[in-house]
Amino acid sequence: DADVTQTPRNRITKTGKRIMLECSQTKGHDRMYWYRQDPGLGLRLIYYSFDVKDINKGEISDGYSVSRQAQAKFSLSLESAIPNQTALYFCATSDRGADTEAFFGQGTRLTVV
Amino acid sequence: AQSVTQLDSQVPVFEEAPVELRCNYSSSVSVYLFWYVQYPNQGLQLLLKYLSGSTLVKGINGFEAEFNKSQTSFHLRKPSVHISDTAEYFCAVSDLTGGFKTIFGAGTRLFVKA
Repeated sequence: DADVTQTPRNRITKTGKRIMLECSQTKGHDRMYWYRQDPGLGLRLIYYSFDVKDINKGEISDGYSVSRQAQAKFSLSLESAIPNQTALYFCATSDRGADTEAFFGQGTRLTVV
Repeated sequence: AQSVTQLDSQVPVFEEAPVELRCNYSSSVSVYLFWYVQYPNQGLQLLLKYLSGSTLVKGINGFEAEFNKSQTSFHLRKPSVHISDTAEYFCAVSDLTGGFKTIFGAGTRLFVKA
């Protein structure tokens, strides 16, 4: 089983719908992150969480919200999806410290029509 | 503020040829540097990282990178590429100011041709 699991892997939704992307990890890490990947833009940080009670906005948090339900679970919500939120979304985890590597899920491909 | 620039969006190369993927960063403080690889339909995985010490860092799959502080660069190299190296490569920087702030470059797509 993967250390970082994202569900669903693919999703098509309509404009204005609420959608939740889920992430769970078995690494035992405190830190979890949500990124979106767009061609030519690399990965951009949406939200990150250092522990269950700590949630921080990243560089592109507008239109998104998150919930850290447990150490192992971190979900991303789009309250009212719009077409420019069509992207590949990645969840990642890491141990404490800026020198530690991030472990990524396989991604969720979201299409908003 | 940190930033990362990957100078090439795509690099086509023939099998068994050497390759260099370029990365420059800017930061007002000391940084940690990473290269990640993303194979098709997969998440990113770590290739190598520079934390301190020797400026030449060796990673998995025969890749290596050299940290150059004066040029603020962290270029990735491989002396002989294989078809299986076809993937997207991301340079990333993380600073030491406390907390976590890893910034990724836009990515370089390496395409290895037979």
